[in-house]
Amino acid sequence: SAVISQKPSRDICQRGTSLTIQCQVDSQVTMMFWYRQQPGQSLTLIATANQGSEATYESGFVIDKFPISRPNLTFSTLTVSNMSPEDSSIYLCSANGGNQETQYFGPGTRLLVL
Amino acid sequence: GDSVTQMEGPVTLSEEACLTINCTYTATGYPSLFWYVQYPGEGLQLLLKATKADDKGSNKGFEATYRKETTSFHLEKGSVQVSDSAVYFCALSDKAAGNKLTFGGGTRVLVKP
Repeated sequence: SAVISQKPSRDICQRGTSLTIQCQVDSQVTMMFWYRQQPGQSLTLIATANQGSEATYESGFVIDKFPISRPNLTFSTLTVSNMSPEDSSIYLCSANGGNQETQYFGPGTRLLVL
Repeated sequence: GDSVTQMEGPVTLSEEACLTINCTYTATGYPSLFWYVQYPGEGLQLLLKATKADDKGSNKGFEATYRKETTSFHLEKGSVQVSDSAVYFCALSDKAAGNKLTFGGGTRVLVKP
């Protein structure tokens, strides 16, 4: 398995500002993933982040709004840019375990935009 | 594309009742199937998984069997506890799609004493 931590755990932000969320994995992993969970909803994949290459974004998500960094095999960041109240969600990162079959999730970052 | 459909909640049960959450999937390849659980205020935890047809995943008294003929992966528990109150997500992972997870809509379960 993989143990994943995220910072911050929660934040309250003003509209128009940006927030960077950090994700740390306790082992080296090839692929990391970023999800959004809007209130009362399921998870939606934002992008897949591979070390050494640009992130691959899902339909409806763009790099200008959600820039992602992946500087090494244990760490990634997601920035939520120019925030609006519609960005209020839980943002979760995940990574595949050693057998690549199973994704393990961080505890999430609860974001409220006023 | 791949999709997962699970029964809508909320499901309200009394302690020691039986729980079944239905999950069906559509996939072009041969997916692995998962149940994740999200306790209030927390992230997702892997509950159980099955990687091929007829596999049974089990954990904490929960079970689910990978049924290829009915494209289903129903979650069951024979006797629920108050601590099982959570949101349960069915998901599939397709190697052909880079192991990306596709989630169902989630089912909220509330167990009353």
